[in-house]
Amino acid sequence: GEDVEQSLFLSVREGDSSVINCTYTDSSSTYLYWYKQEPGAGLQLLTYIFSNMDMKQDQRLTVLLNKKDKHLSLRIADTQTGDSAIYFCAESIGNDMRFGAGTRLTVKP
Amino acid sequence: GAGVSQSPSNKVTEKGKDVELRCDPISGHTALYWYRQSLGQGLEFLIYFQGNSAPDKSGLPSDRFSAERTGGSVSTLTIQRTQQEDSAVYLCASSLALGGNSPLHFGNGTRLTVT
Repeated sequence: GEDVEQSLFLSVREGDSSVINCTYTDSSSTYLYWYKQEPGAGLQLLTYIFSNMDMKQDQRLTVLLNKKDKHLSLRIADTQTGDSAIYFCAESIGNDMRFGAGTRLTVKP
Repeated sequence: GAGVSQSPSNKVTEKGKDVELRCDPISGHTALYWYRQSLGQGLEFLIYFQGNSAPDKSGLPSDRFSAERTGGSVSTLTIQRTQQEDSAVYLCASSLALGGNSPLHFGNGTRLTVT
């Protein structure tokens, strides 16, 4: 099974906030990442957070990390139709990078 | 500069044939990774290279899969005697170095269909 777990689907209305959640299992993870995949494309790095931080904000994106609960979330403010994609959470452990199964975000007008 | 380039973008092959997938990493990136993404699934790690060396090949699904990297640059993933379960998108990524503080940069993948 997956070491990194995400819910598979999320649907929101345009203009609302989206929150995508992820849990990971290895407390020694040093960096945690969010990637975005649009149809027919590879994964695009959105943002990442170092494990000694609990929050990182980058324009419309806010990443929250709860290291105690091994929980990571990505909040997208003012979600737009162009944000519709699959979002992958990933954890790095040494030289290894483990990905979740991805959350498909659908933004309805 | 240019991103990670993969070719072909699509490949349809008959069961039993061999296929070769190519990855051109970003110039200067020493680490290179291959992943497989099946329909509706997450990313399955296959193999990584540090320079031309692949220290751990245990992620390759079977002995029909092999990968090499030459000159610390281009990598090829070869699948011999393809089977229908090999159908997937094969993604290549590169990074400046191994380790979590070097984010992965992905190509657009090769979609392999085995008929």
